[in-house]
Amino acid sequence: NAGVTQTPKFQVLKTGQSMTLQCAQDMNHNSMYWYRQDPGMGLRLIYYSASEGTTDKGEVPNGYNVSRLNKREFSLRLESAAPSQTSVYFCASSEESGLGNEQFFGPGTRLTVL
Amino acid sequence: GNSVTQMEGPVTLSEEAFLTINCTYTATGYPSLFWYVQYPGEGLQLLLKATKADDKGSNKGFEATYRKETTSFHLEKGSVQVSDSAVYFCALSDQGTGRRALTFGSGTRLQVQP
Repeated sequence: NAGVTQTPKFQVLKTGQSMTLQCAQDMNHNSMYWYRQDPGMGLRLIYYSASEGTTDKGEVPNGYNVSRLNKREFSLRLESAAPSQTSVYFCASSEESGLGNEQFFGPGTRLTVL
Repeated sequence: GNSVTQMEGPVTLSEEAFLTINCTYTATGYPSLFWYVQYPGEGLQLLLKATKADDKGSNKGFEATYRKETTSFHLEKGSVQVSDSAVYFCALSDQGTGRRALTFGSGTRLQVQP
């Protein structure tokens, strides 16, 4: 039981390049999330998926797209990377997206955009 | 909108000292409150939670009480250990906004010296 896995762990891009961050969970959770973590700002929600087939914007969605490929997988795509997207990206999942439900986090992807 | 405010760090303590990390929140509805911990190089892990006023969450010697009258959820531990060194995040989940994710504070780094 691996929990939430993310690939890659580290990535360096040049401005304008594209890439996809992969996330998978093996807990049969309905809801999945993408956050970014910046120094002094905590985690901010980029996109979430309450269930398979649905996605919604979070607090900071500009410059990103997501795909809920199936119940297990939720990917985050940067179409044209910018230095402002340098951050640590965390994927999370939860059984339901209501109150009081624990979110389980992956180990993160550290992205640097030059 | 929702927000979470935490005391700035780093907090540096000697082993066996008493720990308090302050957290206050603003929410439109009736939130659930969480403390997450992030060890170096890892993702976030749920430490404890409380889902209604006057509830006390506890785990691994840490405690926090949901105080609606002061909109606070302060984290405490009676005797810290070196292994408690980490970044601690206060967070809330508020169904009233319709957002199905967590709002995080900026995090407080705890350093425990032997």
